[in-house]
Amino acid sequence: GDSVTQMEGPVTLSEEAFLTINCTYTATGYPSLFWYVQYPGEGLQLLLKATKADDKGSNKGFEATYRKETTSFHLEKGSVQVSDSAVYFCALKGGNKLVFGAGTILRVKS
Amino acid sequence: GAGVSQTPSNKVTEKGKYVELRCDPISGHTALYWYRQSLGQGPEFLIYFQGTGAADDSGLPNDRFFAVRPEGSVSTLKIQRTERGDSAVYLCASSRPGERETQYFGPGTRLLVL
Repeated sequence: GDSVTQMEGPVTLSEEAFLTINCTYTATGYPSLFWYVQYPGEGLQLLLKATKADDKGSNKGFEATYRKETTSFHLEKGSVQVSDSAVYFCALKGGNKLVFGAGTILRVKS
Repeated sequence: GAGVSQTPSNKVTEKGKYVELRCDPISGHTALYWYRQSLGQGPEFLIYFQGTGAADDSGLPNDRFFAVRPEGSVSTLKIQRTERGDSAVYLCASSRPGERETQYFGPGTRLLVL
């Protein structure tokens, strides 16, 4: 069945550092891909999405590119802030449902 | 406008009891989803409603779990004979017609079975 694997955390960075969180997937066909974020004490929020190969999703300085060849959708940000500290989930849309990775905790220190 | 709301925000119950969890989707959203998130894991799909009917209930773990959406808006997830392993955060999401790609999540109900 469909599955998503993302890098284990926690990832701890200093403010203004470059961020990469790796995500790879296994799926039938070419599903839409998503990054969701969960800030402390809040619900899941859609961060960005890409619906077809080579699409780049972007929002709030975060970017991810749908790579069909490597079945990947890595999340990047050029300069993280303390306010980016959260749990990040990679997900794919398989049929009627979202299939999520286990989540990666990001901690940004000032 | 208002987002997806879920009540209660926390529920503590004893093993063997029955619980109901409620979800109010965003107004006008016809699709509604339930997910379960265990500690340290990503959400796992339980059931999907399109209107009043359960279009996909393949994620329900067993027959102790049941969900309804009688008028195509509010949904209730029902768990019978709760077990300690049912402890998790239960998330509800909804999406608007023609845009099922994007699901909007509620804050969740944290269920603890003692």
